[in-house]
Amino acid sequence: NAGVTQTPKFQVLKTGQSMTLQCAQDMNHEYMSWYRQDPGMGLRLIHYSVGAGITDQGEVPNGYNVSRSTTEDFPLRLLSAAPSQTSVYFCASSSILANEQYFGPGTRLTVT
Amino acid sequence: AQRVTQPEKLLSVFKGAPVELKCNYSYSGSPELFWYVQYSRQRLQLLLRHISRESIKGFTADLNKGETSFHLKKPFAQEEDSAMYYCALSELETSGSRLTFGEGTQLTVNP
Repeated sequence: NAGVTQTPKFQVLKTGQSMTLQCAQDMNHEYMSWYRQDPGMGLRLIHYSVGAGITDQGEVPNGYNVSRSTTEDFPLRLLSAAPSQTSVYFCASSSILANEQYFGPGTRLTVT
Repeated sequence: AQRVTQPEKLLSVFKGAPVELKCNYSYSGSPELFWYVQYSRQRLQLLLRHISRESIKGFTADLNKGETSFHLKKPFAQEEDSAMYYCALSELETSGSRLTFGEGTQLTVNP
């Protein structure tokens, strides 16, 4: 039982490049979400999903896309990377009933 | 809109001293409050939630609706308590809903 996994652990991008951060969970959780963690700002919600085929925007969605084709996977796409997207990205999942979120190990992204 | 505030970015105490990490919130509905902890180089994990009313690793937190606070307390801090602590809020009526996090407090327990 791996819980929530994220790949890659580290990534360096140049401005304008695109990439996808992968997130998977094996707990059959309905709810999945992406956060970014920046010093002094806590965790801010980027996008979330309450089930396969359903996604919605969080607090800071601009510059990011998501899709949820399966219950297990919730990839986050950066369309055209900008230095302001340098951050640590966390994926989380939870059961709709339990409401306790389980976090992945994070992806540290640097955009130069 | 819901908001969570942790007024102290950094908190430093000595081993054996009491510690209190402050959390205030603003929300018009019925909130569910959480404390998450992130130890060095580890992922965030749930420490405790107000509806459980339990003590985890010696930490307790009481929801004070009058003062809209959910402060985290421990009577005797240990060095292994050094970590980043986040207070978070979600809507009690909506299960599995989005969490709003505070800015975080970095706790350092000195020997």
